[in-house]
Amino acid sequence: NAGVTQTPKFRILKIGQSMTLQCTQDMNHNYMYWYRQDPGMGLKLIYYSVGAGITDKGEVPNGYNVSRSTTEDFPLRLELAAPSQTSVYFCASRPQGLGPQHFGDGTRLSIL
Amino acid sequence: GESVGLHLPTLSVQEGDNSIINCAYSNSASDYFIWYKQESGKGPQFIIDIRSNMDKRQGQRVTVLLNKTVKHLSLQIAATQPGDSAVYFCAENISGNQFYFGTGTSLTVIP
Repeated sequence: NAGVTQTPKFRILKIGQSMTLQCTQDMNHNYMYWYRQDPGMGLKLIYYSVGAGITDKGEVPNGYNVSRSTTEDFPLRLELAAPSQTSVYFCASRPQGLGPQHFGDGTRLSIL
Repeated sequence: GESVGLHLPTLSVQEGDNSIINCAYSNSASDYFIWYKQESGKGPQFIIDIRSNMDKRQGQRVTVLLNKTVKHLSLQIAATQPGDSAVYFCAENISGNQFYFGTGTSLTVIP
């Protein structure tokens, strides 16, 4: 199993551009999450999903959108990139019930 | 929102010594806690977890202790090795869907 796969690994955007960060998991997990991690900080929850067709806001959702059309995929959309969105973005998934999340290796995004 | 904090942002230990990383949490309703290890350029990796109905849980070279009275969590690493050098995060779960992460402790193992 590949686990949680994130693409791209690195990206540089100009202010005002848009892009989609891809996340896919092959573990048939119901729950999926998007976090951002700023330098020297912990992870902040952007959005999460408890299953296909269901998404909810986390702590820092402004400037982002998500969709969950399949169990496997949970893309994160930035519509109008701003410098404050420069960060490392992590996607995670976990199965139904109480248990730890499995993380991808992140997308490093710089907005200039 | 709820906060999860770590007492020490950095920790240096000699190879072979035991390491203790601490974490404070603020919500007494938190019922599940996880320790993650994050190496440079990688995503967080699960180490060990504990539910609130337990005080202690052991894994391979790692032990997690939970003190609900003072809302404190610790991770003990026995016989610390250079490969243990990383940032360690604790996370707490309250609602069942969301997890709250601390800022992390950077562990450096001195050969």
